[in-house]
Amino acid sequence: DIQMTQSPSSLSASVGDRVTITCRASQGISNYLAWFQQKPGKAPKSLIYAASNLQSGVPSKFSGSGSGTDFTLTISSLQPEDFATYYCQQYDSYPITFGQGTRLEIK
Amino acid sequence: EVQLLESGGGFVQPGGSLRLSCAASGFTFSSYAMTWVRQAPGKGLEWVSGISSSGVSTFYADSLKGRFTISRDNSKNTLFLQMNSLRAEDTAIYYCTSKGGGYWGQGTLVTVSS
Repeated sequence: DIQMTQSPSSLSASVGDRVTITCRASQGISNYLAWFQQKPGKAPKSLIYAASNLQSGVPSKFSGSGSGTDFTLTISSLQPEDFATYYCQQYDSYPITFGQGTRLEIK
Repeated sequence: EVQLLESGGGFVQPGGSLRLSCAASGFTFSSYAMTWVRQAPGKGLEWVSGISSSGVSTFYADSLKGRFTISRDNSKNTLFLQMNSLRAEDTAIYYCTSKGGGYWGQGTLVTVSS
């Protein structure tokens, strides 16, 4: 199974900051990497697919990069609505696996 | 507008069964591989099962040990998850998603308790 190691597990930041979350795969997954945002009590929302492609309707403040084993999600100019938990997911091969999540909190 | 609407969750005793359904609309369901993902209370996301667009190929998390069966009816744009021999650790919100996570349902809660 491919293990996805996401870091940090939690992150404290201020409104207006730029933050980066990383996700490392235990083996190469090409660009079959997605990022999701989840707010309490809500279903996850897709932000990025194929490592760097923005889902329709997602603001350009979100960006993804990487290929192979190392990936990043960057959020620029944090706003109050961006404070949530973020997950990466590899869908290169079954079993599909998720990172453990990054909880982004307001400083 | 894309919609995935799960149903069939509820309260069940250990050893019981439930069948989840996911009704899809707003996209060409038969062209998409689909998956079920669950989230236990206060925990992260866990992939449960996947199925190819045609329904021919199915995949499961090792932890399920043959208790769950995924299927689909492309003529009715519906995805299913048959869950048998349920355990307390299966308690979670179950989400229907397209493979790669572009589309998500709102989730259905399954509670396994005596």
